[in-house]
Amino acid sequence: EIVLTQSPGTLSLSPGERATLSCRASQSVSNNFLSWYQQKPGQAPRLLIYGASSRLSGIPDRFSGSGSGTDFTLTISRLEPEDFAVYYCQQYGSSPPLTFGGGTKVEIK
Amino acid sequence: EVQVVESGGGLVQPGGSLRLSCAASGFTFSSHWMTWVRQAPGKGLEWVANINQDGSARYYVDSVKGRFTISRDNAKNSLYLLMNSLRVEDTAIYYCAKGYGDLYWGQGTPVSVSS
Repeated sequence: EIVLTQSPGTLSLSPGERATLSCRASQSVSNNFLSWYQQKPGQAPRLLIYGASSRLSGIPDRFSGSGSGTDFTLTISRLEPEDFAVYYCQQYGSSPPLTFGGGTKVEIK
Repeated sequence: EVQVVESGGGLVQPGGSLRLSCAASGFTFSSHWMTWVRQAPGKGLEWVANINQDGSARYYVDSVKGRFTISRDNAKNSLYLLMNSLRVEDTAIYYCAKGYGDLYWGQGTPVSVSS
């Protein structure tokens, strides 16, 4: 089973700042099959990025994904007020089981 | 527009059973893997099970194997999760999602296992 470790656990930033979220896998993720989701309080998760770097249609271009193998990054270039949320990575290259990271909370500083 | 709507959650005693349903619309249901994911109160996301397009392949997280059964009815555009021998630790919001790894989520249905 691939274990995903997200860091930091909490990121305190101001609107307009750049956010860099890390997701590290315990072993290489096949085909870079890694997704990123955003979850706001009381809401379901929303897909942002799949295949490590492909942005879903309709997702603002301030969101970008990068990385390969065991190290992946979600970058939000300039934080908007609506971007403060919890972000999860998920691997689906070596499954079952599909696995999620523990999440990174992006909070307003 | 892709939509998945869960139902069937509720309060059940330990050892009891529940059957969750998920109604899908806005896409060709029979062409896609479907997935159940849960989230315990205040916790992160946990993949529970998934099923391939024709139901011939089904996979489960170890903690639910032998207790939960995922199934689908392509004629009704519906996904199901039969949960038996429920435990307190199964308490969570259960989400239905379209897809295998790039998931499109419903709003979830809450399951509470308590005496």
